[in-house]
Amino acid sequence: DTAVSQTPKYLVTQMGNDKSIKCEQNLGHDTMYWYKQDSKKFLKIMFSYNNKELIINETVPNRFSPKSPDKAHLNLHINSLELGDSAVYFCASSQDRWLASDNEQFFGPGTRLTVL
Amino acid sequence: AQKITQTQPGMFVQEKEAVTLDCTYDTSDPSYGLFWYKQPSSGEMIFLIYQGSYDQQNATEGRYSLNFQKARKSANLVISASQLGDSAMYFCAMRENGANSKLTFGKGITLSVRP
Repeated sequence: DTAVSQTPKYLVTQMGNDKSIKCEQNLGHDTMYWYKQDSKKFLKIMFSYNNKELIINETVPNRFSPKSPDKAHLNLHINSLELGDSAVYFCASSQDRWLASDNEQFFGPGTRLTVL
Repeated sequence: AQKITQTQPGMFVQEKEAVTLDCTYDTSDPSYGLFWYKQPSSGEMIFLIYQGSYDQQNATEGRYSLNFQKARKSANLVISASQLGDSAMYFCAMRENGANSKLTFGKGITLSVRP
């Protein structure tokens, strides 16, 4: 009964490969997010979707493409992986996209991506 | 300018003592929310506490309380009666108002609880 799940938990791959990370939430939330945590533990928003619609797209290389087949899923596809893409990627979800006291973001367990 | 500033180096506290983790923020938006998350060594992000900019009282959740000083733009997390399991990294984050509000995180503070 995991609230926000991600697969895989670990991903080791070669430079130049294409890979995907999947995220699913069973909370009935409308809004989902992708964050990147770098080697210094700094967390930064990458994308956000609300009901399958892209609402936040930070300055991220276009090698990164999010896809939301339905509001419970938000996948992240990365083309032509580079060494600098090595990081932990967190998926998160919230009830909706509005600021409210009970609208905290629930995070998945993270996917540690290592590019060799 | 950084939106969220956490400047303390690694913090240490004795078990059962209280500890304060500092956070200052910068925004011109009158409506915003402040969050604290805990990240233990296992890596997951755990929501701890929320403070809205219009909340009249400081937020509390069990052993966690938020010392919210709006004029100083600070939102310090106070952990009372520290436990060994509190050893983790702690992140302060802000969400500004607007339809596409997102969480902006500080750099985090490492807390170590000594037995």
